[in-house]
Amino acid sequence: EAQVTQNPRYLITVTGKKLTVTCSQNMNHEYMSWYRQDPGLGLRQIYYSMNVEVTDKGDVPEGYKVSRKEKRNFPLILESPSPNQTSLYFCASSSGVGQPQHFGDGTRLSIL
Amino acid sequence: QKEVEQDPGPLSVPEGAIVSLNCTYSNSAFQYFMWYRQYSRKGPELLMYTYSSGNKEDGRFTAQVDKSSKYISLFIRDSQPSDSATYLCAPGAYNFNKFYFGSGTKLNVKP
Repeated sequence: EAQVTQNPRYLITVTGKKLTVTCSQNMNHEYMSWYRQDPGLGLRQIYYSMNVEVTDKGDVPEGYKVSRKEKRNFPLILESPSPNQTSLYFCASSSGVGQPQHFGDGTRLSIL
Repeated sequence: QKEVEQDPGPLSVPEGAIVSLNCTYSNSAFQYFMWYRQYSRKGPELLMYTYSSGNKEDGRFTAQVDKSSKYISLFIRDSQPSDSATYLCAPGAYNFNKFYFGSGTKLNVKP
């Protein structure tokens, strides 16, 4: 079954404690992306990757890091999380720009 | 100005009603237009994908694009309670590396 898998689904943590949200896709997609979804603001792109070792900033990259060492994986790293990063996060993949994206089921992060 | 504007709703309709969901966009370079549906506690899933002005129909769903006025619509006929979800419009361009989304309209179809 084609899918994008995110872990964890829920996380409550404290300010400053480094965390990583993993994302894996099994569709051999080249394009992967991270979004955060906040009420009234919709989906905002954090980072995206056009292919292995190629990443670029989206609209709201501050406070986040990503890496793309393998085609299937695209982890999101918060090195020093702050309360304003409390949000619902989605990972997505597609076969390329302009192609429909497949989304994971989301990770709800609460930073206290 | 936001790239994509969408009324957040919520929109509440009785079962069987015709629903109209709308977005406007500002970038005349947009070439394709997607609609995603997002159920509660799930990720968005593609519902419709079109790349030309005019109408595209798929079952009870019709996507309509008017590039001259930068206006896109999604119509749902004979709406069902299972259509209750948030609908996000997502226009874009093939030479853009990024994706754009509206903020989503929450729809509630009452039995």
